[in-house]
Amino acid sequence: KAGVTQTPRYLIKTRGQQVTLSCSPISGHRSVSWYQQTPGQGLQFLFEYFSETQRNKGNFPGRFSGRQFSNSRSEMNVSTLELGDSALYLCASRLRGTGYNEQFFGPGTRLTVL
Amino acid sequence: GENVEQHPSTLSVQEGDSAVIKCTYSDSASNYFPWYKQELGKRPQLIIDIRSNVGEKKDQRIAVTLNKTAKHFSLHITETQPEDSAVYFCAASINNAGNMLTFGGGTRLMVKP
Repeated sequence: KAGVTQTPRYLIKTRGQQVTLSCSPISGHRSVSWYQQTPGQGLQFLFEYFSETQRNKGNFPGRFSGRQFSNSRSEMNVSTLELGDSALYLCASRLRGTGYNEQFFGPGTRLTVL
Repeated sequence: GENVEQHPSTLSVQEGDSAVIKCTYSDSASNYFPWYKQELGKRPQLIIDIRSNVGEKKDQRIAVTLNKTAKHFSLHITETQPEDSAVYFCAASINNAGNMLTFGGGTRLMVKP
């Protein structure tokens, strides 16, 4: 089975632009979560989608949004980019929305904002 | 919300020694505690996890202990090897509330040959 994939792997944007990142979960997985990883703040939860519905949201401004499609693929969007948005964005998928089941991470998209 | 603290932030050990990483959490409702290993430039990978109804779990050289009363859990790696060098993250979640993990700040483990 293929693992979690994310595209693009690297992205360079300038302040004020917007960006869309994509995540394809492991086949059959219905839950997708997004995390931001920075050297200063570590790994922080952004949001989680299950069956096309946002189920949990972390403490990030409204510039960060996401969605999930009927095939469980997910996208996240960041509008009006700021320098502080430079980070590795990781998505993770798991088979079931609840219960004890492993969360598998993708390789991440490294976003650099200039 | 949940807050997870992890110590130490860096840990250097000699090959063959043991390594211990400790985490504390704040939300007594948390019931699932995974540990992830992230090698340089790679994705985090689950190495072991523990549920709140278990006090200890072991998998070969890795073990995790959980003290619910004190709200802390620890990762123990015995007979460390150079390939154990990585950043380790603890996390906590309320597992029946979805897929939201709160991570500790990470521990950079360096195993010197």
